[in-house]
Amino acid sequence: EAQVTQNPRYLITVTGKKLTVTCSQNMNHEYMSWYRQDPGLGLRQIYYSMNVEVTDKGDVPEGYKVSRKEKRNFPLILESPSPNQTSLYFCASSYQWGGPSVMEETQYFGPGTRLLVL
Amino acid sequence: GENVEQHPSTLSVQEGDSAVIKCTYSDSASNYFPWYKQELGKRPQLIIDIRSNVGEKKDQRIAVTLNKTAKHFSLHITETQPEDSAVYFCAARRFGNEKLTFGTGTRLTIIP
Repeated sequence: EAQVTQNPRYLITVTGKKLTVTCSQNMNHEYMSWYRQDPGLGLRQIYYSMNVEVTDKGDVPEGYKVSRKEKRNFPLILESPSPNQTSLYFCASSYQWGGPSVMEETQYFGPGTRLLVL
Repeated sequence: GENVEQHPSTLSVQEGDSAVIKCTYSDSASNYFPWYKQELGKRPQLIIDIRSNVGEKKDQRIAVTLNKTAKHFSLHITETQPEDSAVYFCAARRFGNEKLTFGTGTRLTIIP
């Protein structure tokens, strides 16, 4: 079954305690991204990766790190979490195919990780 | 950077009627415009997308239109059903680049 998994699904932590949220996909997708979702602000992209060892900043990268050492995994690292990083986090993977004029794309989101930083 | 504005923030529609959600974008280089549906407590789901080389795309009851000159695109849902109730997000990005900017969402409620 094609899927994106995230762990943990729920996490309560304290300010400054480093944490990692894992993301894994089994579809051999090249592209992966992290988003955070906050009420009234919608979805905002944190980081994305277009392939192994290729990562770049989204709209809200401050306070986050990522790595892409393997195609299937794209962990999100909070080195020193702060309360303003309390949010719902989604990982996603996507795949594009076709030519320049007829390009198609499919994208899958993980189930989400709800993080509370005290 | 890209800025995407989405309207309205909430929309209530009688079952069977049509719903239209509109988005504008600021970066003229953006050429890929996906739409997502997020049901309560669920993950977002890509439901339809359009690229800048076409003006309209349809998939059953859902259609998306794009006006590149005015830099706006819209989601049209016809013959709405209760299961269409959800939050819908538009987004924009440059093709070949995975940096994606979202609108703030529209909460669509279908009234039986």
